[in-house]
Amino acid sequence: DAKTTQPTSMDCAEGRAANLPCNHSTISGNEYVYWYRQIHSQGPQYIIHGLKNNETNEMASLIITEDRKSSTLILPHATLRDTAVYYCIVRVAETSYDKVIFGPGTSLSVIP
Amino acid sequence: GAVVSQHPSWVICKSGTSVKIECRSLDFQATTMFWYRQFPKQSLMLMATSNEGSKATYEQGVEKDKFLINHASLTLSTLTVTSAHPEDSSFYICSARASRWTEAFFGQGTRLTVV
Repeated sequence: DAKTTQPTSMDCAEGRAANLPCNHSTISGNEYVYWYRQIHSQGPQYIIHGLKNNETNEMASLIITEDRKSSTLILPHATLRDTAVYYCIVRVAETSYDKVIFGPGTSLSVIP
Repeated sequence: GAVVSQHPSWVICKSGTSVKIECRSLDFQATTMFWYRQFPKQSLMLMATSNEGSKATYEQGVEKDKFLINHASLTLSTLTVTSAHPEDSSFYICSARASRWTEAFFGQGTRLTVV
């Protein structure tokens, strides 16, 4: 799986949009970009994933650059409950035993 | 999303004893389950991958005789930490997937403290 790089930590004001960047310059054509988050002392939670088109669901939006070398997760109106570590992962979605390998992630603090 | 449940949520055991952690998929059949370990302020580290009815595949550096994984049914996988020592104290998390075409969902984690 390709590696990703993310900022170690970020702050965001409550009610504002949180934009979390991720670089994945060595991504392969068949690798998807996945985002998970982990609230303190809980298991990770799936947020969103995409291949090359921008994606949106009830939790967030995922913007992937045209060259697919980077992406941004957008939480449109951050709340205090969005304080968590956010993990950007690239992986092939359709292999027999594909594994989710976590990097250090970005620790997002939403500030009142 | 699908629900994956771990039991217990936390456990304290004496050094030298064994402890079993259960991971259940509550509303789907999990062909593949993954076990992770997480130390404080660190990311999750994959320990092993198990497929129902077959032996688990362990990541490099993980002792398979110490961390016994059983995936005997499509809804249950267990991780047994044998002869636990204080350095095994950690947060253990399981993940389950219905098939290679579906997303994996995570349990809430089990906090193990060995005293």
